[in-house]
Amino acid sequence: KAGVTQTPRYLIKTRGQQVTLSCSPISGHRSVSWYQQTPGQGLQFLFEYFSETQRNKGNFPGRFSGRQFSNSRSEMNVSTLELGDSALYLCASSFRTGVETQYFGPGTRLLVL
Amino acid sequence: GESVGLHLPTLSVQEGDNSIINCAYSNSASDYFIWYKQESGKGPQFIIDIRSNMDKRQGQRVTVLLNKTVKHLSLQIAATQPGDSAVYFCAEKGQGFSFIFGKGTRLLVKP
Repeated sequence: KAGVTQTPRYLIKTRGQQVTLSCSPISGHRSVSWYQQTPGQGLQFLFEYFSETQRNKGNFPGRFSGRQFSNSRSEMNVSTLELGDSALYLCASSFRTGVETQYFGPGTRLLVL
Repeated sequence: GESVGLHLPTLSVQEGDNSIINCAYSNSASDYFIWYKQESGKGPQFIIDIRSNMDKRQGQRVTVLLNKTVKHLSLQIAATQPGDSAVYFCAEKGQGFSFIFGKGTRLLVKP
């Protein structure tokens, strides 16, 4: 079974721009979570989607948003990029929401100049 | 490769020795925990999980111990191999379906 895939793998943007990242979960998985990973803050939860609905949201500003499609694929969007948004963005999928093991994709490395 | 943490605690072990990686968690009500391994340039990889109704769980070469009294998790890796070199994270289930990750420990295996 194919794992979680994320596109693009690397991205360079400038301040003020917006970016959209994509995640395809493991086939059959309906829950998708997004995390931001930085050297200073580690892995931080952004939000989780299940059945096209946002179930949980972390402590990030409204510039960070996401959505999930009927095929469980998910996108996250960051608007008005800031230098501090440079990070590895990780997507994780699980079969269902609740107490379930999450499986991570390779991440999208975003650099904001 | 990508750095997941510039100032992570580092555990250095000799190949073949056993490794013990420790983690303190924050919420006494957390009922589910996962250990992940992250190699340079890759996303975290699931190693083993444990629910709060257990004290110990064993996998292939790995054992997780949970001490709820002191809110402490440990990951034991038997006969550590060079391929075990990575950053290891513990994660506790937070509110809803979010996970709170520890800062990570870098494991270096010397041949």
